[in-house]
Amino acid sequence: DQQVKQNSPSLSVQEGRISILNCDYTNSMFDYFLWYKKYPAEGPTFLISISSIKDKNEDGRFTVFLNKSAKHLSLHIVPSQPGDSAVYFCAALGGAGSYQLTFGKGTKLSVIP
Amino acid sequence: DTGVSQDPRHKITKRGQNVTFRCDPISEHNRLYWYRQTLGQGPEFLTYFQNEAQLEKSRLLSDRFSAERPKGSFSTLEIQRTEQGDSAMYLCASSLSRGQGYNEQFFGPGTRLTVL
Repeated sequence: DQQVKQNSPSLSVQEGRISILNCDYTNSMFDYFLWYKKYPAEGPTFLISISSIKDKNEDGRFTVFLNKSAKHLSLHIVPSQPGDSAVYFCAALGGAGSYQLTFGKGTKLSVIP
Repeated sequence: DTGVSQDPRHKITKRGQNVTFRCDPISEHNRLYWYRQTLGQGPEFLTYFQNEAQLEKSRLLSDRFSAERPKGSFSTLEIQRTEQGDSAMYLCASSLSRGQGYNEQFFGPGTRLTVL
């Protein structure tokens, strides 16, 4: 039972354009969401997060949007750069005071020069 | 300031052998987590420590797995009688508790285990 879903295994975007990565969740108890980027043979690197009391959080080229009613969040990268090519994981926290992250399966982003 | 470090980076073992991995968190981070990642999947939670206390354990953590954080600093994860299904990337993460609310977890590079 996948509580965090990333339905697109891969995404290709031209350099300079916007990348939009999507994530859906099913557990209403989740109240904090994070995006991680992962290069091969490395651990995930924290990118940006958002609390359920907000609907948007920005950090430089990265913006995360949260739609609680739809249980959907998205990560926007503008402008996309070749160095952004990596696997992006959506993760969620929450429920009964738990601190365990629940991850999606990831989306592989390829930014084409 | 160094990040989370893990040792070894790679481990190849034969089925039935015991293995132990070490994680050194970011200094002063009081929370430490272990995750496991298999091919094509996101990391899956195994266990979590606050200081030296093990506060959460996943049902994925069978009785062949044991984790410790004896002095609230580094942690070890031991797998006894390894099975081929244990082959995975084992990731350690740490975070700093600021009281109420959540904090970002920072991951180490992982230990890749291959059980032959």
